[in-house]
Amino acid sequence: DVKVTQSSRYLVKRTGEKVFLECVQDMDHENMFWYRQDPGLGLRLIYFSYDVKMKEKGDIPEGYSVSREKKERFSLILESASTNQTSMYLCASTLSGEETQYFGPGTRLLVL
Amino acid sequence: SQQGEEDPQALSIQEGENATMNCSYKTSINNLQWYRQNSGRGLVHLILIRSNEREKHSGRLRVTLDTSKKSSSLLITASRAADTASYFCATARGYTDKLIFGTGTRLQVFP
Repeated sequence: DVKVTQSSRYLVKRTGEKVFLECVQDMDHENMFWYRQDPGLGLRLIYFSYDVKMKEKGDIPEGYSVSREKKERFSLILESASTNQTSMYLCASTLSGEETQYFGPGTRLLVL
Repeated sequence: SQQGEEDPQALSIQEGENATMNCSYKTSINNLQWYRQNSGRGLVHLILIRSNEREKHSGRLRVTLDTSKKSSSLLITASRAADTASYFCATARGYTDKLIFGTGTRLQVFP
């Protein structure tokens, strides 16, 4: 079974802090994705990566950056957290060419 | 921009009843997928239907796709309390592996 893990289930940070959200998958997937989920808006793609050290912007990249130094790990960075980044963050991965995405359990981030 | 829109936003039924939820999308697609999300958890893939398919079954799930109307429906037959979750459609426009998700339908099944 594919396993996608996220470093924290719940996180509380202060405005202006630098926040790291980590995602690890154990199935040698090439593609990894970061989404945020907000009520009434569904899932929106922040960034994705097709390979190590590669990254591409999704629909809402502003205020975020990512890092993919190893194939199994994809990090989402909030350079200076703001209250409007309070959300549920979901990581997903998939094999190149495969259509099904496998999701982690999510990190619920609260920025005060 | 949001590709998929689900209807209804929320649905409440009794155990044993069927649940139908619909998804509409805006542009041509390669495939359409349905995912389920239990409260506060990640999404789990349920079923995928390709643009050249009209209907697909998996257990108690039946998915239809009408590309002329740019719409899909998910039918859950003989629902159970454990089916209580949010259901999302997601569309893929090509082979880029990117999915665009809808806003979801919250299904509540009462025992």
